[in-house]
Amino acid sequence: EDQVTQSPEALRLQEGESSSLNCSYTVSGLRGLFWYRQDPGKGPEFLFTLYSAGEEKEKERLKATLTKKESFLHITAPKPEDSATYLCAVQVAGQGNLIFGKGTKLSVKP
Amino acid sequence: NAGVTQTPKFQVLKTGQSMTLQCAQDMNHNSMYWYRQDPGMGLRLIYYSASEGTTDKGEVPNGYNVSRLNKREFSLRLESAAPSQTSVYFCASTPSYNEQFFGPGTRLTVL
Repeated sequence: EDQVTQSPEALRLQEGESSSLNCSYTVSGLRGLFWYRQDPGKGPEFLFTLYSAGEEKEKERLKATLTKKESFLHITAPKPEDSATYLCAVQVAGQGNLIFGKGTKLSVKP
Repeated sequence: NAGVTQTPKFQVLKTGQSMTLQCAQDMNHNSMYWYRQDPGMGLRLIYYSASEGTTDKGEVPNGYNVSRLNKREFSLRLESAAPSQTSVYFCASTPSYNEQFFGPGTRLTVL
């Protein structure tokens, strides 16, 4: 069964304290892995797509990496405005649908 | 570009009532999706439309129907609402097998 697991469920950081969020997946064949950010009361906002092991993408303080079994979202020197829930999703080869993890709720305190 | 729009933003129904959630996108995307999001469950796919004129069931289709009215619009109908359908509903669209773009959501409560 295709599955996505995110950890931790919640993460509290001090401003400037770097850390990583994990997304592990089990799929029959990976076409792509997607990271989204979701603010309270809003729809998910697209951040990155990764297609192959070893690929990395960066945007401001965020960097996403991909291996054959998991993806990491590294947050460098986070700011309070980075507080949100981060969602990971996988797309199985031959399908257009996304399978989402339950998310990691990140809180960054000043 | 407004992107993906959803109406209404909030709705309260009584058990057994019916309603239609509306979704429209102005990005000329081929595929559209309906998800529900519940605490502790993540986003789950209800129905999707890979292209105009086609619809398919997702992970949790029971109690719902959909209509792909044209390329822009994809509606979700609850024929007889139940308390278990209390949730936040998101519509999304994508040009093909790429990242999906989400609407702001409809918060539905069924009493």
